[in-house]
Parts: sequence; C-alpha cells; structure tokens
Amino acid sequence: AQSVSQHNHHVILSEAASLELGCNYSYGGTVNLFWYVQYPGQHLQLLLKYFSGDPLVKGIKGFEAEFIKSKFSFNLRKPSVQWSDTAEYFCAVNGENAGNMLTFGGGTRLMVKP
Amino acid sequence: ETGVTQTPRHLVMGMTNKKSLKCEQHLGHNAMYWYKQSAKKPLELMFVYNFKEQTENNSVPSRFSPECPNSSHLFLHLHTLQPEDSALYLCASSQTQGREQYFGPGTRLTVT
Repeated sequence: AQSVSQHNHHVILSEAASLELGCNYSYGGTVNLFWYVQYPGQHLQLLLKYFSGDPLVKGIKGFEAEFIKSKFSFNLRKPSVQWSDTAEYFCAVNGENAGNMLTFGGGTRLMVKP
Repeated sequence: ETGVTQTPRHLVMGMTNKKSLKCEQHLGHNAMYWYKQSAKKPLELMFVYNFKEQTENNSVPSRFSPECPNSSHLFLHLHTLQPEDSALYLCASSQTQGREQYFGPGTRLTVT
C-alpha cells in the first residue's frame, strides 16, 4: 500500500521568506507525484506534477518541487513567498500499480504574514 | 461552465433524510472520484469510477451509495447518515488512470 507523510502541519512565514514543505511517500515502485493547493474558501487546485524525466519540476506561481528517489521525497519549494500564498498544501502519490488511487498526505497549513 | 461543478454547495440534513450530491465534469475525462475531507484528517478516497464502472469502493458504509450514469456525471446518494458523516465531500475527475485529478468546489454537508 502507498502512503504519504507531510511532517509540517503548520508553517508560519513572513513575506519574502523562502519556503520548503516536506513530503515523503512510501511505495516500492514507480510513482506519479503531485502537489495540490487549497486557498481559503476555494477548491483544491493542481500546483505541479511529476511523472518522469527531470526530477526538478516547476509549477504555477513560482513553485517547484524536487523528486529525490533515493529519499522517497518530493519537497515543495518557493524562493520568496507572498501573503497570497497563504493556503493549505497537499502532497499526493499515485503508484504505477495503484490504478486510479491517489493517496494524499495530511496537508500543511501555510500562513504568510504581510 | 468549465471544470468540475458540484451541487449543492451546502447541505444540512437530518439523520433520517435522503439526499443526493451531484457532480458534473466538463473536461471530457473518463474517471471520476468521490472524496471525503474532514477536519484534521487526510483527504479520504471513497469511490472511483472509470468509464462509468465502479473500480474502487474504499470500505465506505452502505449509507453512501454512488451512481455514475455517464462519464460526465457522478452522484452520491445519502441516507440515514450519522453526525460523524458531516464533512466536505469533493468530486474529482481525471483523463485516464494515474493522471492528475481536477477537483470541484465540494459540498459542505452537515448532519444533524
């Protein structure tokens, strides 16, 4: 079975600070990896995805994530956060033999102080 | 409309009521999903439909009954729910197996 762990439940940063949110997964085979974001009062939106190729993936709004296979990690980064990045961030994994099953982490609530 | 839409956005129902949640996707996708999002819990997959056929039932109680009449529409029929079933119910769709999923805004359900 696949599982996803997000170690940081709450993160508070000031504007312009750098962001790194941790995501580790447990699955023995090939995986597809995703980060989703849920802004206050809005629905879940895809931030970025990794299927294959370059392990450094760039997404919308200046976010990027790096897939490190040896560490089973897919951490989300942004060099300089803005107040508008305040949201909840979810990491998700889909193992190659898991069909349509997407497993989500518990989420990380990010608050950016102006 | 574009994307994934869900109705109603808010629903309050008693434990003896019967109600249905509706989801519609305008993306031409072949797979649709129901998720439950509760406070302080990870997003829980409930059901998966692929080309209108149910492919996953994640040990969901029978008081939740899904229906997928075609690839664009998905329903969740509710009856004799419990207060602990109060949550945000999300619908999603994807093009094919393993691809990224697109989510609707959810239905905020309160069971009294």
